[in-house]
Amino acid sequence: KAGVTQTPRYLIKTRGQQVTLSCSPISGHRSVSWYQQTPGQGLQFLFEYFSETQRNKGNFPGRFSGRQFSNSRSEMNVSTLELGDSALYLCASSPIAEPQETQYFGPGTRLLVL
Amino acid sequence: AQSVTQLGSHVSVSEGALVLLRCNYSSSVPPYLFWYVQYPNQGLQLLLKYTSAATLVKGINGFEAEFKKSETSFHLTKPSAHMSDAAEYFCAVTSSGGSYIPTFGRGTSLIVHP
Repeated sequence: KAGVTQTPRYLIKTRGQQVTLSCSPISGHRSVSWYQQTPGQGLQFLFEYFSETQRNKGNFPGRFSGRQFSNSRSEMNVSTLELGDSALYLCASSPIAEPQETQYFGPGTRLLVL
Repeated sequence: AQSVTQLGSHVSVSEGALVLLRCNYSSSVPPYLFWYVQYPNQGLQLLLKYTSAATLVKGINGFEAEFKKSETSFHLTKPSAHMSDAAEYFCAVTSSGGSYIPTFGRGTSLIVHP
């Protein structure tokens, strides 16, 4: 099976712009989670979607949003970008939403905000 | 609530030496524990996980970890380090009956000297 894919891999934006990142999970996986990774804060959970419904949300401002489509592909959007949004954004998928399930990560999208 | 503490943001070993990466967890219910590895410019990859079947868990690339409930620990070990083991290692916890969203530690960077 193909792994989790994320597009684009690299992105440069300026403050105030908005950005949309895409994630295609492993075929058959219904749960998709998004994380922000920075050197200062580590891995922080953004949100999780299961069967097109947001079931969990981390402690991020409303500028961060996401959605999941019927084919389980997911997008996340960040509006009004700030310098502090520069990070590696990781998407992970799992077959079902259970605590013992492994998270399968994509390579990430590295966002630089200037 | 659940949390993970990884002692030591950086661990340096010589090639061929024992690798020991420490992870302590906090969970009010029985935990599931994971170790993930992240190589440069890549996403996280599962090394091994504890799901209550056996306290000593063997993973990929010669790594293993032992679940010790009395010490609330899940330390990662490898008898002999290889240059290719140089990476960032993350411990994560979920809990049975609780959140299936993993809480990650801050990560430990393993440096292997020739």
